[in-house]
Amino acid sequence: KQEVTQIPAALSVPEGENLVLNCSFTDSAIYNLQWFRQDPGKGLTSLLLIQSSQREQTSGRLNASLDKSSGRSTLYIAASQPGDSATYLCAEVGAGSYQLTFGKGTKLSVIP
Amino acid sequence: DGGITQSPKYLFRKEGQNVTLSCEQNLNHDAMYWYRQDPGQGLRLIYYSQIVNDFQKGDIAEGYSVSREKKESFPLTVTSAQKNPTAFYLCASNPGVRLNTEAFFGQGTRLTVV
Repeated sequence: KQEVTQIPAALSVPEGENLVLNCSFTDSAIYNLQWFRQDPGKGLTSLLLIQSSQREQTSGRLNASLDKSSGRSTLYIAASQPGDSATYLCAEVGAGSYQLTFGKGTKLSVIP
Repeated sequence: DGGITQSPKYLFRKEGQNVTLSCEQNLNHDAMYWYRQDPGQGLRLIYYSQIVNDFQKGDIAEGYSVSREKKESFPLTVTSAQKNPTAFYLCASNPGVRLNTEAFFGQGTRLTVV
């Protein structure tokens, strides 16, 4: 069974710092990986999708990378802002699968 | 505006009652999904549908039922057989069944058993 792990469960950083969130997965035949943001009591907002043939994707201050050989993805956030405070979830789709398998998320707090 | 609408936002259920959560999308997506989110457990798949009049069980389907009579609608019924229904329920959709594009989520329904 596919498993997705996100460490740490919580992270607190001062405003302006660059930071990296980690996501590891056990499925070597990954199809794609998606990063989401979730604000308290809200649904999920898609941030970036990386196909298995890609190494990274960028959107504004966000950059996500994918390393299938090591089973890892990272989400890099540049120049963090208090508005970035949220829970960040990664989810992978395995080859032959029809569902997203989620990690438990990293709760990010950016301190002004 | 295109998107996924879940209603109601909050729902209270007495023990022994069935309740139905609504999910509507105007994105013309083929695939729709229901997830359950509990603190410390992440999101778990309840049911998914790849096409109208067809749906499949996910990892935790027991105590739940769904229908897909229209492309834009995928309601979830939480039955009295579900022993611990208090949770946050999220509906999602995707253009195609292979999830090769971004999945979109609704704002969720928080169900509480009283």
